Amino acid sequence: GAGVSQSPSNKVTEKGKDVELRCDPISGHTALYWYRQSLGQGLEFLIYFQGNSAPDKSGLPSDRFSAERTGGSVSTLTIQRTQQEDSAVYLCASSPAGQVGTEAFFGQGTRLTVV
Amino acid sequence: DAKTTQPPSMDCAEGRAANLPCNHSTISGNEYVYWYRQIHSQGPQYIIHGLKNNETNEMASLIITEDRKSSTLILPHATLRDTAVYYCIVRGYNTDKLIFGTGTRLQVFP
Repeated sequence: GAGVSQSPSNKVTEKGKDVELRCDPISGHTALYWYRQSLGQGLEFLIYFQGNSAPDKSGLPSDRFSAERTGGSVSTLTIQRTQQEDSAVYLCASSPAGQVGTEAFFGQGTRLTVV
Repeated sequence: DAKTTQPPSMDCAEGRAANLPCNHSTISGNEYVYWYRQIHSQGPQYIIHGLKNNETNEMASLIITEDRKSSTLILPHATLRDTAVYYCIVRGYNTDKLIFGTGTRLQVFP
């Protein structure tokens, strides 16, 4: 596709349920990022994938959060046993070749509401 | 990664130049300065980046001081559609991580 695609665009889930958020990066982009943005707040870094290297998980807020990237392309962010404080917009971005000096392209995000 | 400091908010009249400052006093020699903006309810959008030379593209100009400890993003003729939160980011040489601060909320008024 022409840009980073995220699905679903909106997700409402009950507290305690697991959710999966999907990100389709731009074809050929080796770097992929997940961010979280709570209402009225800035972007909080969650996790970063670069090619076949081990992901940088330093931003994941708890062990309920995990992410995978299959085949160096599509990524799934999983939140287990969701809590109300997990409600936020989850943004995915990708960039080419992992080189400094390249820009990252963002998707439109998935708005997660935990009720 | 070096941290950045930006004013929380600024106003600008439509048609005038918007000058958004950013301090990054702990930047190291091989770190780039990036600018992104986020218009309400959208994902962040890349604007421009630079290392040490001033840069210009169709969206904006980036002025980096000689000591690289600060920079200014210039929108030469601001429009109402430029109302957004503008993020100044220093991107480490050894990592692609983009760490966003709190940014500057620019309000362009008629």
